[in-house]
Amino acid sequence: DTAVSQTPKYLVTQMGNDKSIKCEQNLGHDTMYWYKQDSKKFLKIMFSYNNKELIINETVPNRFSPKSPDKAHLNLHINSLELGDSAVYFCASSPGTGHYEQYFGPGTRLTVT
Amino acid sequence: GQQVMQIPQYQHVQEGEDFTTYCNSSTTLSNIQWYKQRPGGHPVFLIQLVKSGEVKKQKRLTFQFGEAKKNSSLHITATQTTDVGTYFCAGAPGNQFYFGTGTSLTVIP
Repeated sequence: DTAVSQTPKYLVTQMGNDKSIKCEQNLGHDTMYWYKQDSKKFLKIMFSYNNKELIINETVPNRFSPKSPDKAHLNLHINSLELGDSAVYFCASSPGTGHYEQYFGPGTRLTVT
Repeated sequence: GQQVMQIPQYQHVQEGEDFTTYCNSSTTLSNIQWYKQRPGGHPVFLIQLVKSGEVKKQKRLTFQFGEAKKNSSLHITATQTTDVGTYFCAGAPGNQFYFGTGTSLTVIP
């Protein structure tokens, strides 16, 4: 069984569109994250969500919005996509914050044309 | 803002040679983690260090946390082609982890 899953694996879309990426974890973890990895491999945290507390990275444009229907899911919705949004987006989960290992999903490669 | 830098950014080694990547933080860290990302894959947790001066070993990998808890290193002895990938440190000054810039390792057979 996959611990952290993401769909879709690949997403190709045009500028200006709105898209969502879904993430699910079956580990019973309390904390979930979204990361963006650019072409230079830099891994930047976008959001962390712990027990309904959302922590937002202040550098993330408000076109990005996380939505958590329950503890096992943290989806990422992106409005008005731009070329610079092209990247690999990773979802991750951990039992808590600060002192726990993170389990990453397989990633979603987003290409904006 | 919080920065965690790693050097080198890239490293090419001949199979059998040793490899070291260094992680430096601008602030004191409560703990540090190391991850490995294979090409085309996702980051996978390797280890966590918590104590000042702590050293941990996993087979050919040796991890060290600095005395001041601002730096860390990962050393691989006698690299193998299976070691190829990008190695990230992730430091936590508080409850939030910040990933380092990563070191991409290429092992030449």
